[in-house]
Formats: sequence, C-alpha cells, structure tokens
Amino acid sequence: DTAVSQTPKYLVTQMGNDKSIKCEQNLGHDTMYWYKQDSKKFLKIMFSYNNKELIINETVPNRFSPKSPDKAHLNLHINSLELGDSAVYFCASSQGNYGNQPQHFGDGTRLSIL
Amino acid sequence: RKEVEQDPGPFNVPEGATVAFNCTYSNSASQSFFWYRQDCRKEPKLLMSVYSSGNEDGRFTAQLNRASQYISLLIRDSKLSDSATYLCVVDTGRRALTFGSGTRLQVQP
Repeated sequence: DTAVSQTPKYLVTQMGNDKSIKCEQNLGHDTMYWYKQDSKKFLKIMFSYNNKELIINETVPNRFSPKSPDKAHLNLHINSLELGDSAVYFCASSQGNYGNQPQHFGDGTRLSIL
Repeated sequence: RKEVEQDPGPFNVPEGATVAFNCTYSNSASQSFFWYRQDCRKEPKLLMSVYSSGNEDGRFTAQLNRASQYISLLIRDSKLSDSATYLCVVDTGRRALTFGSGTRLQVQP
C-alpha cells in the first residue's frame, strides 16, 4: 500500500549516460515534487507540478527534464549524466495547489555516477 | 540569510533526557510550519505540524514564535528510537516548502 513509490531504488551508471526515474502516488494529491539530497544531506527542491502543470523549476541544469503524464505520476529524465549528479533523488506529493501542505515522500533513488 | 536555519548538532543525550531544537526562518509571511524526521538512508517523514498556539503529540511539543520568527521542538523522555535528523520545514510563500539542513539527535543508552 505504498503511498509514494519511486523506481528504481538504486541506479549506478556511467558518466554521459541518460537515465529516468519514475514516481507514482496513490494519495490523490494534486501536487508532486522532485528533490535532490546531496552528500551534505541538504534537501533541495528541483521541480514541482500541480495537476500536470509545471509550477516550480529551480536553478537546475536543463539536462534534467521532468514529465507529468497525469497528476499521479511525475518522472525525471536526466541526460548526459555528470559526476556531480550523484545524490539521492526524492519524489514527494501533497494535497492542494499552494505548496503549503505536508509532503509525503517516496523512499528515494540513490544515483551513483561512475 | 538562509530561509531556514538550524543548529546541525549533533545533540548527544542520554535516554530519558529532555532535548529541544530551535529553528529560525527569514520570511515573515510564512504561514505553514512542520517538523520532519529523517532516519539514516531513509526518506523524510512528517513528525508534526506546528500551530500558532503550540501543539503536543505524546512526548513531542512544538512551538511557534512569530515575533522572533522561530519554531521549536521539545522531546521529553528521549528514547533510543528518537535518534534521527530532525528537519525544520517552512512554507516559502512561493508554492513550496523549504527544508532546513537538519539537526542530528543521538540518544545514548
């Protein structure tokens, strides 16, 4: 009965490759997010979508492209992976349209670039 | 000034101790406040929301001071299982939440 599920849980790949991470939520929430947590454990927002519409696009290289086919799914595609992309990527979702409600997180995708 | 600031710790306390964390925020227009808990190699999980009048959930008490722009979390009778990183979370007013960098708590037997 996972509320927010991400796949894959681990991703080990070489520099220069392209990879995707998928996220699905079954909570009926309207807003979904992608966060990056680096080795210093700082959780930084990358993107948010509300009902398939892009709301937040923080200063993220355009190698990162989110896609929301419907409000229950938010995927993240990364082109030309670099060493600095190694981190844990968390997907989250929340009720409402204003981004001020508690967020529920997936269990993360640990990306390692060789 | 960072939007949300927390003492990184670690706070090392014995079982049964009372421990308090503070967090300051910069946006005076912020309306929503939360404490999250993150265990090592796990996702952040909501611990409690923080309400203007202060609120309690078992051994945990959260307080908000709007005038000084800080929120606090008090944990009474600490358990070994309380060992984790505690994240202070504040809404930015830009349809997003900002997470503090966390305060690490280690409860020792």
